Amino acid sequence: AQSVTQPDIHITVSEGASLELRCNYSYGATPYLFWYVQSPGQGLQLLLKYFSGDTLVQGIKGFEAEFKRSQSSFNLRKPSVHWSDAAEYFCAVGPIITGNQFYFGTGTSLTVIP
Amino acid sequence: KAGVTQTPRYLIKTRGQQVTLSCSPISGHRSVSWYQQTPGQGLQFLFEYFSETQRNKGNFPGRFSGRQFSNSRSEMNVSTLELGDSALYLCASSLEGGPPRSGANVLTFGAGSRLTVL
Repeated sequence: AQSVTQPDIHITVSEGASLELRCNYSYGATPYLFWYVQSPGQGLQLLLKYFSGDTLVQGIKGFEAEFKRSQSSFNLRKPSVHWSDAAEYFCAVGPIITGNQFYFGTGTSLTVIP
Repeated sequence: KAGVTQTPRYLIKTRGQQVTLSCSPISGHRSVSWYQQTPGQGLQFLFEYFSETQRNKGNFPGRFSGRQFSNSRSEMNVSTLELGDSALYLCASSLEGGPPRSGANVLTFGAGSRLTVL
């Protein structure tokens, strides 16, 4: 069965520190992988996506993620966190066949302390 | 280019009532998906529509229904509301029709409709 696991429910980092949010997935085929960010009271904004090719993908706001097939992981990273990065982050697996549903992790809430 | 628009943004209903939520996708996007977001369950897939046809449905009771119009706008309806239906309902649209790995099925989300059932 398809699923996405985000092991960390909540993470606190200091401003300027590095960040890594973990994501593991279970999917029957080569997945399309996504990271979304949600600020309070808002919908989800796409940070980055992986379809194929280079396993290190760059996204908006200075984020990057690395696809590791052997570990079924797609971890999100940022070298230096800003206070405005405080939000909820969701990892998702998307369908290769259009029309099928996306599967989302339960999210990681990020707190940034000054 | 306007984003995905959901109305209303906030609403309060009482148990037993029904509610209709509306979603206008990005111009040119033909697929509309609906998700329910709750603190305990995360994002749960409700259904997906393309060309006025429901192509896929999640594991929700029949009280949850939807439709899509010829202009790709979509509505979802929840009848006989229960306390547990309180949630943020998110609509997302995608372009569709592109080749594999073209990004055509990337979801763009609206801000959501926050439903509170009392």
